[in-house]
Amino acid sequence: AQSVTQLDSHVSVSEGTPVLLRCNYSSSYSPSLFWYVQHPNKGLQLLLKYTSAATLVKGINGFEAEFKKSETSFHLTKPSAHMSDAAEYFCVVTPPAGGTSYGKLTFGQGTILTVHP
Amino acid sequence: NAGVMQNPRHLVRRRGQEARLRCSPMKGHSHVYWYRQLPEEGLKFMVYLQKENIIDESGMPKERFSAEFPKEGPSILRIQQVVRGDSAAYFCASSPIGLQGPTEAFFGQGTRLTVV
Repeated sequence: AQSVTQLDSHVSVSEGTPVLLRCNYSSSYSPSLFWYVQHPNKGLQLLLKYTSAATLVKGINGFEAEFKKSETSFHLTKPSAHMSDAAEYFCVVTPPAGGTSYGKLTFGQGTILTVHP
Repeated sequence: NAGVMQNPRHLVRRRGQEARLRCSPMKGHSHVYWYRQLPEEGLKFMVYLQKENIIDESGMPKERFSAEFPKEGPSILRIQQVVRGDSAAYFCASSPIGLQGPTEAFFGQGTRLTVV
């Protein structure tokens, strides 16, 4: 079984300061992990994904995430927050490749990021 | 290449009415998934469909909910005799192959259902 835990339901930062959104996972397999962003009343957009090719993954809009197997973590970071980053962020794990399950994405509870001027 | 299209964006229904939510996947995608997002929660899997086939409906409530993906036309999520607890955002996603491992899901903008 797989699970994802986002450690903070709300994160508030000032514009120009670093962003850290925390995600821990539990998986019996080598996981494929994703971060999605959801702006108000919009759909989900993929920020980045980890697929075992490299532990440090760079995504869109200056975001990156580091896969740490020893800590079972996949935290999302950005060096300098922008007002447009205010949104809800979801850490997601997919069913393992080669298995019998498809499409049952496991979502974290979400982290709402607020950016203050 | 248009993304995943869902309509309507907002839907208001009175208790006991039927709700029909539509989803057109991205061009070339034949795998469609429906997810439900309740307030303050992440998205929860409901059903996985391919053309004319329901592959996995393990996340669907046993009663009142049904889904289809016909040979022609969009996928439809149908909720009969809606109740207030059905109020949620319903998201559709599509993918070019079965969604597992590194395969990315492409999401629509969702339909926000309000039952009054």
